[in-house]
Amino acid sequence: NAGVTQTPKFQVLKTGQSMTLQCAQDMNHEYMSWYRQDPGMGLRLIHYSVGAGITDQGEVPNGYNVSRSTTEDFPLRLLSAAPSQTSVYFCASSPDSATGELFFGEGSRLTVL
Amino acid sequence: GQSLEQPSEVTAVEGAIVQINCTYQTSGFYGLSWYQQHDGGAPTFLSYNALDGLEETGRFSSFLSRSDSYGYLLLQELQMKDSASYFCAVHPGNTPLVFGKGTRLSVIA
Repeated sequence: NAGVTQTPKFQVLKTGQSMTLQCAQDMNHEYMSWYRQDPGMGLRLIHYSVGAGITDQGEVPNGYNVSRSTTEDFPLRLLSAAPSQTSVYFCASSPDSATGELFFGEGSRLTVL
Repeated sequence: GQSLEQPSEVTAVEGAIVQINCTYQTSGFYGLSWYQQHDGGAPTFLSYNALDGLEETGRFSSFLSRSDSYGYLLLQELQMKDSASYFCAVHPGNTPLVFGKGTRLSVIA
């Protein structure tokens, strides 16, 4: 059982480039979310989804897009990368919105030059 | 909105007990979670308190007081491997978890 899988684990981009961070889970979880983690800032919510076809914005959504066409996948798109988006990105899932337990992927470390 | 306060750093001796406090302000509240994160790793779930009182899981315990908007994580018989960052997170109910900024625990010999 793989759990939550994120790719790539490391990425370097130039300012203005676009890319997609992939997230897939094999636990049939309805609830998926993306967080970014910066030093001293904890984890901040970017976007989340309560099920296929439904997405919503979190605390820091600007510069990011998401879609949820299947239960398993929840990709995060950076439209035009900026140095301020240098961060570690974590995808998480849970069976539903009623639980306080999130299952995290291993993270994607992004550097924007 | 939501806000959480927890100490930024705590140092404790191997074998001792340490308590990490968390106070929160939130417009909605279902419960309080705790997560552990080692350097370079992903956050991993430790506990979730939806009701007042103490929840015990091995060497770790978590406490919640809803009336005081306060909780804590208690780590007993500290081991070197417990050196990590610990995050409290509020479950507002209508949105995903909101995390505190984390407490870096250093366990020394």
